[in-house]
Amino acid sequence: DGGITQSPKYLFRKEGQNVTLSCEQNLNHDAMYWYRQDPGQGLRLIYYSQIVNDFQKGDIAEGYSVSREKKESFPLTVTSAQKNPTAFYLCASSIDRPRELFFGEGSRLTVL
Amino acid sequence: GQNIDQPTEMTATEGAIVQINCTYQTSGFNGLFWYQQHAGEAPTFLSYNVLDGLEEKGRFSSFLSRSKGYSYLLLKELQMKDSASYLCAVENAGNMLTFGGGTRLMVKP
Repeated sequence: DGGITQSPKYLFRKEGQNVTLSCEQNLNHDAMYWYRQDPGQGLRLIYYSQIVNDFQKGDIAEGYSVSREKKESFPLTVTSAQKNPTAFYLCASSIDRPRELFFGEGSRLTVL
Repeated sequence: GQNIDQPTEMTATEGAIVQINCTYQTSGFNGLFWYQQHAGEAPTFLSYNVLDGLEEKGRFSSFLSRSKGYSYLLLKELQMKDSASYLCAVENAGNMLTFGGGTRLMVKP
């Protein structure tokens, strides 16, 4: 079955540590996205990539970094520079333009 | 700038009809989406409107008025499983999606 896999589902980290969230898709989609969701709020775009080896900042990119070395993979690193990293992180993909986004199950990051 | 407004919470009774409104102001418009998100889960696509009018898909319908910057999602014959958050999102001129804060719908017996 095609889909998007995010890991880990739950992650705890100490302040000052970097952490990398994995996102893999086997839908053969060109575009991939990372969103952040805080309780009771909508999704905010962190980074997106429309083709391999290219990515763009979204609305809240500060304190995050990404790479897109393979079409299937779009990992997100939450760095120690991110002041308030505790959130629910969602990875998504689409064929090209975001006509219909397919989401992973999400990764819940808690900073202790 | 981008601004998308939806009510924060709504409550409705099983079997009834509920309308969830969304108003938007964005830099350009290429379409409006509705997503459903159950608590702790990923959003799933419900509907897409690019032209004015009503799009019907089973118990769910979505309406768009581009001149008014307005959309609504209509849910008929409500079921308990419809309790979820409903997210309105607009694709702007740069082909990027901006999401509203979501409307949490509680369906009661």
